[in-house]
Amino acid sequence: SQTIHQWPATLVQPVGSPLSLECTVEGTSNPNLYWYRQAAGRGLQLLFYSVGIGQISSEVPQNLSASRPQDRQFILSSKKLLLSDSGFYLCAWTRSYEQYFGPGTRLTVT
Amino acid sequence: QKEVEQDPGPLSVPEGAIVSLNCTYSNSAFQYFMWYRQYSRKGPELLMYTYSSGNKEDGRFTAQVDKSSKYISLFIRDSQPSDSATYLCAMSQGGSEKLVFGKGTKLTVNP
Repeated sequence: SQTIHQWPATLVQPVGSPLSLECTVEGTSNPNLYWYRQAAGRGLQLLFYSVGIGQISSEVPQNLSASRPQDRQFILSSKKLLLSDSGFYLCAWTRSYEQYFGPGTRLTVT
Repeated sequence: QKEVEQDPGPLSVPEGAIVSLNCTYSNSAFQYFMWYRQYSRKGPELLMYTYSSGNKEDGRFTAQVDKSSKYISLFIRDSQPSDSATYLCAMSQGGSEKLVFGKGTKLTVNP
């Protein structure tokens, strides 16, 4: 069966610090991968998606970037965090239009 | 007009009630419709997946899609306190796996 992992689960970072969130998927190959941010009252916002290694599409101009160094690994990064980057970050993968989410990382920028 | 509209609630019902959750959408190209359940501080969990119009039943859950009205529903029968969560609708066009989400409806089932 397929499993999706995210870490860390919780993160508190000061403004201006760098960020690296990691997502890995087990039990499938060449998945389409997604990064979302969920902020209170704003729903799920698609940030990036990837259809393969090194292939990243950005949905919204952000203070964030994404990379996919391996088939089942997706990384979300920032060089300098802003207060507005706080939120719940979710990684997801799809199988025939069904999308499955990881447990999420709760980021608080102080 | 937003692509997907969902009443945020909150919705509070007694245990055993039938719950109806709904979303409307504006893009007639949507063909795949999903409902997710999200417990507090957890990732969304795929509950129901429907292609095109019609009904789909899974235990106490029934998903309905009315493409002519651009309206989808999720019914929960014999609701339980464990059903207390936020329910998100989501949909996508044929040929694209990118989902458009509603903002979610927060449901509380009181024992």
